Amino acid sequence: AQSVTQLGSHVSVSEGALVLLRCNYSSSVPPYLFWYVQYPNQGLQLLLKYTTGATLVKGINGFEAEFKKSETSFHLTKPSAHMSDAAEYFCAVSDGGTSGTYKYIFGTGTRLKVLA
Amino acid sequence: GAGVSQSPSNKVTEKGKDVELRCDPISGHTALYWYRQSLGQGLEFLIYFQGNSAPDKSGLPSDRFSAERTGGSVSTLTIQRTQQEDSAVYLCASSESLGGIYSPLHFGNGTRLTVT
Repeated sequence: AQSVTQLGSHVSVSEGALVLLRCNYSSSVPPYLFWYVQYPNQGLQLLLKYTTGATLVKGINGFEAEFKKSETSFHLTKPSAHMSDAAEYFCAVSDGGTSGTYKYIFGTGTRLKVLA
Repeated sequence: GAGVSQSPSNKVTEKGKDVELRCDPISGHTALYWYRQSLGQGLEFLIYFQGNSAPDKSGLPSDRFSAERTGGSVSTLTIQRTQQEDSAVYLCASSESLGGIYSPLHFGNGTRLTVT
């Protein structure tokens, strides 16, 4: 079975500081990994995804994430936080149907607060 | 174009009553997912539909929960004999295909269910 662990339900950073949101996964087959963002009063939207190929993936709004198989991690980073980045971020894993199901398993989310 | 539409946006019901939640996916999207978002619990998978294939119901928490998708489009999630622990935001998402490899999930804004 697949699972996702997001360390830190709340993260605060100063505007202009590095953003690091942690995600570790568990999967018995090669995973597909995703980060979704939920801005206040909006639906979730895809930030970036890793399927195959390059392990460093870039997403919208300057975010990127690196797939590290040896560490079973897919941490989300952004070099310089903006006030508009304040939102809830969800990491998710799928096995793309390898195990016969196409479920996405989501983490519990990390709420990012950006301080002026 | 139009996104995923969910109705109602808010629903307050008395314990023991039945409720129906509706999801209109993006036109042409064959995959449709339901998730439940509770405070501190992240997104909990409930069910997904793909075209005319049998749905994956493995996430439904009890037999009080059921869902259907008519004509491969609109979906209804029904909760019978609601309990207070059913209070949550119910999210619907659609995708051009299952698994998210080639197309992301597009989420609606959710239905906030409150059981009193």
